[in-house]
Amino acid sequence: AQSVTQLGSHVSVSEGALVLLRCNYSSSVPPYLFWYVQYPNQGLQLLLKYTSAATLVKGINGFEAEFKKSETSFHLTKPSAHMSDAAEYFCAVTRPTGNKLIFGAGTRLAVHP
Amino acid sequence: EAQVTQNPRYLITVTGKKLTVTCSQNMNHEYMSWYRQDPGLGLRQIYYSMNVEVTDKGDVPEGYKVSRKEKRNFPLILESPSPNQTSLYFCASSLTSGGTVYTQYFGPGTRLTVL
Repeated sequence: AQSVTQLGSHVSVSEGALVLLRCNYSSSVPPYLFWYVQYPNQGLQLLLKYTSAATLVKGINGFEAEFKKSETSFHLTKPSAHMSDAAEYFCAVTRPTGNKLIFGAGTRLAVHP
Repeated sequence: EAQVTQNPRYLITVTGKKLTVTCSQNMNHEYMSWYRQDPGLGLRQIYYSMNVEVTDKGDVPEGYKVSRKEKRNFPLILESPSPNQTSLYFCASSLTSGGTVYTQYFGPGTRLTVL
């Protein structure tokens, strides 16, 4: 069985500060991992994905994530937060031949001036 | 523009009144899926479809029905809605190959309230 744990349901950072959103996964097979972002009153938008190629994955809007097998982690980072980054972020896992995404509970990111 | 569309975006209804939420994609994707989003639970899969006339249950299928008569459409049917089905619903679609589902693209969501 697969599962995802996102540590911290709410994270608050200052504009310009480092953003770090944590995601740990459990999977009995090599996983595919995703980060999605949900802006208020909108659907989910893919930020980035790991599909067994490079372990450091770069996404849109300056975000990146690193797959660490030994730590079963896929944390999302951005060097400098912007006010427009305020949103809810979801980590998700699937098997390479899987037909559904298993989502974490989400982390709401607040960015203050 | 490549997209997944859902209608309606907002719906308030009463217990027991049958309703349908439509989902349509214009990307010729084989795979389509429905999720519900609830606070603190993330998104959970309700039903999915690997292709036309092929549907299967996800993690929380009780109280829902789906059909896949055309490749582009995947409606979600609530025959007798109950208050515990009040939620935010998302439709998603994806290409597939040899059973592998690739990146899923999501619709804008339908906020359903059942009184």
